Amino acid sequence: GAVVSQHPSRVICKSGTSVKIECRSLDFQATTMFWYRQFPKQSLMLMATSNEGSKATYEQGVEKDKFLINHASLTLSTLTVTSAHPEDSSFYICSARTSVNEQFFGPGTRLTVL
Amino acid sequence: AQKVTQAQTEISVVEKEDVTLDCVYETRDTTYYLFWYKQPPSGELVFLIRRNSFDEQNEISGRYSWNFQKSTSSFNFTITASQVVDSAVYFCALSTGYSSASKIIFGSGTRLSIRP
Repeated sequence: GAVVSQHPSRVICKSGTSVKIECRSLDFQATTMFWYRQFPKQSLMLMATSNEGSKATYEQGVEKDKFLINHASLTLSTLTVTSAHPEDSSFYICSARTSVNEQFFGPGTRLTVL
Repeated sequence: AQKVTQAQTEISVVEKEDVTLDCVYETRDTTYYLFWYKQPPSGELVFLIRRNSFDEQNEISGRYSWNFQKSTSSFNFTITASQVVDSAVYFCALSTGYSSASKIIFGSGTRLSIRP
């Protein structure tokens, strides 16, 4: 199947700093990518849908000014957690949709905010 | 509204036992897709199966089998002759609409522990 990568795989940052997470589709073009968040021992919750060249669509309760999403190319979407706080510590997973409407998940990024 | 319920939070069995993970879904759409994913401790989601709403055939893949019943809105997953490597969190998920790559709604997951 298609490959989706995320970078970094782990990040530790101080409270108040911003962190950028990249999601790349390595061998296909993805017009749509999705960002999920998973707190410990919980399920994956969709945060937003990222469409190439347009604004992201955020799920209810997700602050768009705090979680900035940029989908500037067909192979890259970025999620920036601005002014991160300890409660933002989580596992962030992206997925990418192929041209034949299959969806592949990245390996995830574990964010720890001190 | 769409919803996926995995009532079993944790299951622990001894190796070689068979185990069934339950999944019940809710949707008003007539076209939808159901999925099962495995999440080992590393965190990466491993795709196991996708089934569309028009295909109620049960499927078997090695030690894994799936029972899809629209009448009860269930999509249960059975592992036969379980192995320690099967220990993971398993998620059932639902996607509605004509594309299986619309947004995916996940159940709460079942943590499966296989004891040697």
